[in-house]
Formats: sequence, structure tokens, C-alpha cells
Amino acid sequence: DQQVKQNSPSLSVQEGRISILNCDYTNSMFDYFLWYKKYPAEGPTFLISISSIKDKNEDGRFTVFLNKSAKHLSLHIVPSQPGDSAVYFCAASARNDMRFGAGTRLTVKP
Amino acid sequence: EAQVTQNPRYLITVTGKKLTVTCSQNMNHEYMSWYRQDPGLGLRQIYYSMNVEVTDKGDVPEGYKVSRKEKRNFPLILESPSPNQTSLYFCASSFLAGGRFTDTQYFGPGTRLTVL
Repeated sequence: DQQVKQNSPSLSVQEGRISILNCDYTNSMFDYFLWYKKYPAEGPTFLISISSIKDKNEDGRFTVFLNKSAKHLSLHIVPSQPGDSAVYFCAASARNDMRFGAGTRLTVKP
Repeated sequence: EAQVTQNPRYLITVTGKKLTVTCSQNMNHEYMSWYRQDPGLGLRQIYYSMNVEVTDKGDVPEGYKVSRKEKRNFPLILESPSPNQTSLYFCASSFLAGGRFTDTQYFGPGTRLTVL
């Protein structure tokens, strides 16, 4: 039973355009959400997070939006750069456990 | 340099032969965790630890054991490995704040395990 779902296995965008990665969750107890980025042969690295008391968090080119009623969050990358090409994982937490989505492979074309 | 190290990085073994994957961090982090990554399933948490001698089950603990005798080390033990434990394993650590892990969870480079 996957409580965190990323329904798009892959996404391709042009350099300079916006990348939007989506994530849905089913457990209403989740109160903290994170996005991680992963390059091949490396461990994931933290990108941005959001608490359930907020609906938006911004850090430079990265913005995460949370829609609690829809149990949906999204990561916006503007403008997208070729170096952003990686696998992005959405994660959710209720206490100190973590549930991850299956990941979305983002390709940013020059 | 702040880092999480895992050993070995690659391991091929046979069914039933006990093995241990070590994880060590040099950042004095309280929180440590093990994950496995499988295609189409993303990362799934196996076990986590809030401090020395404190461990909790994650999403998929069956077939695994852990111990936390020292703050810096969090080994993952497979007493009797089976082929369905073939996977890419990651260890991670972070500080705790207000009883929760913090954003900056550092991940190790991964251990690719194949059980024949």
C-alpha cells in the first residue's frame, strides 16, 4: 500500500521553462513533506520541505505547494536548468518515519 | 568532511548466508535510518533510530535487524538473506529538533546487494 504516489515516472522540459513535479498522498496523518533529488550512483540530497501548516515554501528556483484538502503537493522549478536533470523523490512523514514516492525522472534539454 | 559512509558498496552473496552492511556518520547525529530502493517503488524505510539503543521499525522491517550501540554506527543485519532482498540500500542520518528529524538528512552513497 503506497501512501505516497508520484504518478509520472518521467518528465522532459526545455531549459529555461518551468518543471512541475507532482505527488499525492493518502495518509492524513502526514504533517511534513520533503523533496529529494538523486543523481545516479549517489545518495538522495534534500531539496526543499514544507510543513502542513503552510501551503507554500520557496527557496530560490524551487517552490513547493501543498494542497491538504486534495492531499497533493507539487514542486516547481523555474527556470529549469540542464543540471536539474535527476530523479526527484517526494517524501512524507507523520512522526519520524518516512514514506517516499517512486520518483520522477526529470530531463532538462538544452 | 561531513559524511555518511557505507560498507561494502557492492556485495553479491547467496541465500541464507548472514551479512552485515555497516553505516557510520561523523556528524554526531542522533537520528539514523536505513532505506532500500527498488524500481517502481522508490525508497522504503526499513528501520530508524532516534538515539543509542533506541530503534523503531519502518515500512519494511521483515528480514532485517539493526543495532545502535554507538551514536555514530548503525549496522544493518540480514540474518538469512533471500533473493527478494536484492536491492540498493541507503543509510541516512540527521540531527533531531523538537523530537523530529531535521531537513538535512545526509544519505550515504548506497550499497548494492545481490542475493543469489
